[in-house]
Amino acid sequence: LAKTTQPISMDSYEGQEVNITCSHNNIATNDYITWYQQFPSQGPRFIIQGYKTKVTNEVASLFIPADRKSSTLSLPRVSLSDTAVYYCLVGENSGGYNKLIFGAGTRLAVHP
Amino acid sequence: EAQVTQNPRYLITVTGKKLTVTCSQNMNHEYMSWYRQDPGLGLRQIYYSMNVEVTDKGDVPEGYKVSRKEKRNFPLILESPSPNQTSLYFCASSFLGTGNTEAFFGQGTRLTVV
Repeated sequence: LAKTTQPISMDSYEGQEVNITCSHNNIATNDYITWYQQFPSQGPRFIIQGYKTKVTNEVASLFIPADRKSSTLSLPRVSLSDTAVYYCLVGENSGGYNKLIFGAGTRLAVHP
Repeated sequence: EAQVTQNPRYLITVTGKKLTVTCSQNMNHEYMSWYRQDPGLGLRQIYYSMNVEVTDKGDVPEGYKVSRKEKRNFPLILESPSPNQTSLYFCASSFLGTGNTEAFFGQGTRLTVV
């Protein structure tokens, strides 16, 4: 069971790029890396998923080195509305379904 | 609009009074699950279902029941609620498939048991 480690909290300012790194040393060959965002009292929201190298969508980029033992979520030019908890998940492939196991997440605070 | 709908959003009940929290999704997803979220403990899976009439326990199933009679609905049943079940509950759904980790979550149900 792959365990993830990420910073408990981070602070940033509007307009800056934020990089949140997640460590997952015992990631399995079939595991994918996924990031979710959660606002207070709302359900988590899928941001991005990757297996290796770099993935980019309209919201974020995900960088995964060749050994896949870590990954970095990059949020370009954050705004106040990006203040949220960000979770790094490493999928546990179980019968074709990746069980979602949430850790403590990183609490990002964006300041004016 | 693709969504997962939970009801009610807020519920205060008394110990021992049976209750049901409903969950419905309109995306034809095979997989549905329930989580509870508590301060300091994060999100923990209660039960999950991989298809109609197929359910299984998650990490914290004690005190809960579920059923999956239709693909779109996955109600969470508390037969005899206790104060330690006071929590924020989320329903989620997704397609089954190797490598798929994109799940859609409901807006949450805040339950208080007194």
